[in-house]
Amino acid sequence: QLQLQESGPGLVKPSETLSLTCTVTGGSINSTYYYWGWIRQPPGKGLEWIGTIFYTGTTYYNPSLQSRVTISVDTSRNQFSLHLSSVTAADTAVYFCARRDSSETCDPWGQGTLVTVSS
Amino acid sequence: QSALTQPPSASGSPGQSVTISCTGSRSDVGGYNYVSWYRQYPGKAPKVLIYEVNKRPSGVPDRFFGSKSGNTASLTVSGLQAEDEADYYCSSYVGYNNLVFGGGTKLTVL
Repeated sequence: QLQLQESGPGLVKPSETLSLTCTVTGGSINSTYYYWGWIRQPPGKGLEWIGTIFYTGTTYYNPSLQSRVTISVDTSRNQFSLHLSSVTAADTAVYFCARRDSSETCDPWGQGTLVTVSS
Repeated sequence: QSALTQPPSASGSPGQSVTISCTGSRSDVGGYNYVSWYRQYPGKAPKVLIYEVNKRPSGVPDRFFGSKSGNTASLTVSGLQAEDEADYYCSSYVGYNNLVFGGGTKLTVL
């Protein structure tokens, strides 16, 4: 059964870079059928699509975050990562990773990890 | 890309039906048949209920029904049960390999 797990610091200082990794188990990230994505949810608010990556390294980002986001993939470790630069308090959120399929559906999701931006 | 518009809340009594709307534009909901619906319990990750407007993954009961008309998609939950109390989100493909989510609807079972 495919599972995803986010990991990374839970606290990041303003103006620094938020970095998270998603580890995929129970299946290979080297698939021509799926993309791998990041979604975030500020406390008490809705979901926001961040971006997606293919195993080849091709990326697509939400235009509103594109200038600050980088998503990368490490196929040898079956992981993909999120880097969000110049963070502010508005970037405080639960960050989820998920697999995205040809139906443009995200499934499954990781359990999510809360990242707080504060000095 | 702007978030899709959902009502902040919806409610119904056990056994009743409730419909949640998800309004976008021709650039997203109206332009593609790639609308998904998710249910999220507090502190948990979302889980897909509907994909491609009206298809249910295996294991999702047929009490959940998805539809679309123009720029508005809808999720109907029939035979409301206590376990249906949760937050519901729609999403749509918007082209250029990107997605957009709705603002979410909190469903209360009275």
